Amino acid sequence: IAGITQAPTSQILAAGRRMTLRCTQDMRHNAMYWYRQDLGLGLRLIHYSNTAGTTGKGEVPDGYSVSRANTDDFPLTLASAVPSQTSVYFCASKPTGGNTEAFFGQGTRLTVV
Amino acid sequence: AQSVTQLDSQVPVFEEAPVELRCNYSSSVSVYLFWYVQYPNQGLQLLLKYLSGSTLVKGINGFEAEFNKSQTSFHLRKPSVHISDTAEYFCAVSERGSGGGADGLTFGKGTHLIIQP
Repeated sequence: IAGITQAPTSQILAAGRRMTLRCTQDMRHNAMYWYRQDLGLGLRLIHYSNTAGTTGKGEVPDGYSVSRANTDDFPLTLASAVPSQTSVYFCASKPTGGNTEAFFGQGTRLTVV
Repeated sequence: AQSVTQLDSQVPVFEEAPVELRCNYSSSVSVYLFWYVQYPNQGLQLLLKYLSGSTLVKGINGFEAEFNKSQTSFHLRKPSVHISDTAEYFCAVSERGSGGGADGLTFGKGTHLIIQP
């Protein structure tokens, strides 16, 4: 593993089903983030974690939950998927501090039907 | 809270022509500024960043950007573009000294750079 790994790469999911998107980083970054990317809306922050054991809500948290049991992993769960959650999801991590850059995974393309 | 405005959603440019992608930000405190590039079907990667010092910063692939505090802008430029520069470009800002909250980046909506042969 080098950097950030997201899984799965893509998924088609029936509405109402539960789904967990996985994100793992090996850079020992304190902060981790989940964004969704939609055409014309750019990247919107769903949830974040500044350090292991803490999480916070971003701009569009409804319908999503996260956990941060350790430094490396930051899974995103959709408890009951809806079509409006069709999107490309990006996980990112960065060291603590506003002057540090974020590193992104390759994304998960999720289609809810 | 900070915000970022990318004035153009799409910029078509002929190959070997110069390009400028515009970015303006709003914040009540001093900020750090970033440009990211996203090639098709990939994640974002850092193009360049302004932290302090010289207001003209150079990045990868021949791109540069200039921080203008009075105009709260951070426009991205390249003197001669190539087909391979076709991508989505995102401007982002984070606040200096942010000790709480997300301590993350606020992104603009992106500009799609289209290189025409």
